[in-house]
Amino acid sequence: EIAMTQSPDTLSVSPGERATLSCRASQSVGSRLAWYQQKPGQAPRLLIYGASTRATGVPARFSGSGSGTEFILTISSLQSEDFAVYYCQQYDNWPLTFGGGTKVEIK
Amino acid sequence: EVQLVQSGAEVKKPGESLKISCKGSGYSFMAHWIGWVRQMPGKGLEWMGTIYPSDSDTRYSPSFQGQVTISADESINTAYLQWSGLKASDTAMYYCARYSTGIYSHFDYWGLGTLVTVSS
Repeated sequence: EIAMTQSPDTLSVSPGERATLSCRASQSVGSRLAWYQQKPGQAPRLLIYGASTRATGVPARFSGSGSGTEFILTISSLQSEDFAVYYCQQYDNWPLTFGGGTKVEIK
Repeated sequence: EVQLVQSGAEVKKPGESLKISCKGSGYSFMAHWIGWVRQMPGKGLEWMGTIYPSDSDTRYSPSFQGQVTISADESINTAYLQWSGLKASDTAMYYCARYSTGIYSHFDYWGLGTLVTVSS
């Protein structure tokens, strides 16, 4: 099973600042990596797939990069609606696995 | 518009059985794998398993193999997740989600979730 490790657990950021979230896979997953956003009381929402492709309707301030075992989600200028928990997920190998999540909170 | 509509919240006692549902609409239900994801209170996301409605090919995470059963009825565009003997530790939110393309792909649409509470 591929373990996905996200860091940090919590990121405190002021509105308008940049946020950088990390996700590491225990073995290579190529580019088969997705990022999801989850707000309290809501279902997860797809943000990024293929490591760097934004899903339909996702604002350009969200960007993904990386391949193999190291991945980054960048939010260029945090808006109030971006404060949430973010999960990475690999879909290269069974079982599919998620990272533990990074909570982005208001500083 | 693609939608996954899940059944309502359930409150059950330990040992009881339960079957929750996920009805797809707005796309060819039989052509996309459907997955189930567990989220325990205050915790992260865990992939449980998946089914291809067209032929009911089913795969389970080792962590959930033997603990739940995933099924589908393509005639009514519905996937199911069921338990034969619930435990308190099954208390969680359960999401169904659609695979974008094929079995090695991301989840592009999610249901709103079904909250299952197991308590004596």
